[in-house]
Amino acid sequence: ELKVEQNPLFLSMQEGKNYTIYCNYSTTSDRLYWYRQDPGKSLESLFVLLSNGAVKQEGRLMASLDTKARLSTLHITAAVHDLSATYFCAVADYSGGGADGLTFGKGTHLIIQP
Amino acid sequence: GAGVSQTPSNKVTEKGKYVELRCDPISGHTALYWYRQSLGQGPEFLIYFQGTGAADDSGLPNDRFFAVRPEGSVSTLKIQRTERGDSAVYLCASSLTGMNTEAFFGQGTRLTVV
Repeated sequence: ELKVEQNPLFLSMQEGKNYTIYCNYSTTSDRLYWYRQDPGKSLESLFVLLSNGAVKQEGRLMASLDTKARLSTLHITAAVHDLSATYFCAVADYSGGGADGLTFGKGTHLIIQP
Repeated sequence: GAGVSQTPSNKVTEKGKYVELRCDPISGHTALYWYRQSLGQGPEFLIYFQGTGAADDSGLPNDRFFAVRPEGSVSTLKIQRTERGDSAVYLCASSLTGMNTEAFFGQGTRLTVV
């Protein structure tokens, strides 16, 4: 069974600081997704990482994937208040024994304070 | 349509009643997913359709839950004899061809069983 673990689950940080959210998963996969969710809203796709070593950047967010370590990171540079949200990583299970949908982590609740 | 549309946005029902939740995917998307998100958790996979057929229903929690997609477009998630534990946000997502392509989520239906 595929397990996806994010840490930290809660993060409060100041504007202007840098930080990294980690996503570990338990079985082989080369497809990892990062989503953002604002309170009461649905999930907004941020990044799709499709191969080992993939790195994608959008504004102050950068995501990377290391399939050998089964690890993805979401790095926040010079955080601003508008980035406050819950961030989820999700992994596609190709092991053959799992569901055909995505397996999500519990999410990282990020609060950025002025 | 421009995005994934779910109706109703909110549904309050009494314990023991039957409910139907509707999902209208992005036009042309053959893959459709249902997820359930409880408060403070990541979405949990329920069922995946490829065209009209349920390719994977391993996430449905029990036989009170059923979903259909008779014409390969709109899908309906049906819950019989609702229980208070069924209260959650039910999210629908669609993607162009399946797990290899990015999934886009609807706004969700917040189901409350009283």
